[in-house]
Amino acid sequence: QKEVEQDPGPLSVPEGAIVSLNCTYSNSAFQYFMWYRQYSRKGPELLMYTYSSGNKEDGRFTAQVDKSSKYISLFIRDSQPSDSATYLCAMSGERDDKIIFGKGTRLHILP
Amino acid sequence: EAQVTQNPRYLITVTGKKLTVTCSQNMNHEYMSWYRQDPGLGLRQIYYSMNVEVTDKGDVPEGYKVSRKEKRNFPLILESPSPNQTSLYFCASTRGLSTDTQYFGPGTRLTVL
Repeated sequence: QKEVEQDPGPLSVPEGAIVSLNCTYSNSAFQYFMWYRQYSRKGPELLMYTYSSGNKEDGRFTAQVDKSSKYISLFIRDSQPSDSATYLCAMSGERDDKIIFGKGTRLHILP
Repeated sequence: EAQVTQNPRYLITVTGKKLTVTCSQNMNHEYMSWYRQDPGLGLRQIYYSMNVEVTDKGDVPEGYKVSRKEKRNFPLILESPSPNQTSLYFCASTRGLSTDTQYFGPGTRLTVL
């Protein structure tokens, strides 16, 4: 089993819909969970960062971590065509440790 | 402007010819990292550095070397490149620790023939 699993998509949803992106992981030592957004031909940029279990909200984005199920989610409300990108989850055990990324989910928001 | 720069942006080379990809950041960040990104495999960490003279292996370090002699620079060295190192490479830096906001460079597309 890979350390981090993420459905590559592509995922196509109409503008205005709620988008749900997910990752599962196998390493129970992971404590830090991140979501990155990557536009075509660009480097990734950090969207959300959470520590341990719980929810975190930032504007239209909500990150959820369920450590008991080893499952993390990113929700995008009122999705916009500008949200079309690849979304990568990432995890780390300690704050100065290596980071493991998921393969990324390609998201298309249809106008 | 705060940024991470990489050079070259594009490189085509031949098997066995040593090359260096430079990375520089102007934000006085402690943590720097190199990744490669491949279709179907995602973003994988090659090496990271927590500060000057402190480096450690990431997930896929084989065939690569790094050095961190100055805080701002973190070059990636391929002593004897092989075709399986053809990839898109990203350098990143973080102010504090690995899980703080990582600023990624623009990427270097390397082709090894």
